[in-house]
Amino acid sequence: EVQLVQSGAEVKKPGESLKISCKGSGYSFTSYWIGWVRQMPGKGLEWMGIIYPGDSDTRYSPSFQGHVTMSADKSISTAYLQWSSLKASDTGMYYCARRSGSYSSWGQGTLVTVSS
Amino acid sequence: EIVMTQSPATLSVSPGERATLSCRASQSVSSNLAWYQHKPGQAPRLLIYGASTRATGMPARFSGSGSGTEFTLTISSLQSEDFAVYYCQQYNNWPHTFGGGTNVEIK
Repeated sequence: EVQLVQSGAEVKKPGESLKISCKGSGYSFTSYWIGWVRQMPGKGLEWMGIIYPGDSDTRYSPSFQGHVTMSADKSISTAYLQWSSLKASDTGMYYCARRSGSYSSWGQGTLVTVSS
Repeated sequence: EIVMTQSPATLSVSPGERATLSCRASQSVSSNLAWYQHKPGQAPRLLIYGASTRATGMPARFSGSGSGTEFTLTISSLQSEDFAVYYCQQYNNWPHTFGGGTNVEIK
């Protein structure tokens, strides 16, 4: 069974850094792209970008380019989403999802709250 | 980037009725269009991919149609568990943009 398990909820202050994770199991982690999707409070889904763990090829949405970094450690089947300096507007739920054409398997989500 | 526009934003439907949701792309995405169901507190769930193929385990009352720039998701007879927000997404071009969603609510 394909599973994506994300790290737990985070509460941070503006300006702090953060790295959240998404661990894949039940499939060949290096053979499928992993995408990241944001949902801000009361809003819709936004596609942030995607990484191919096999060679770390990464594509970012222009809306998120330069503000987040995606990475992957294939030795532990884990993808990461990180911020070097959080803003209050980064508050939201973040999902990882495995791409097989469309996005067929999703993590449970990581809630990130940024507040002073 | 390709802009995905969903209509209506909210659809009020009685249980047992038919619901028709629309999704329009700003340029052709061929058949590389997916529909997702999203309920509060849960992860989104893939319903339809390739514009018209039901994902594994999805009930037959869900159907998708269209190609190019115009797409439709039809729920033939709404069940209580179908009240949720539905998103379309194109995966033909980077970035893989979502529509703004249609909230299907109980009438």
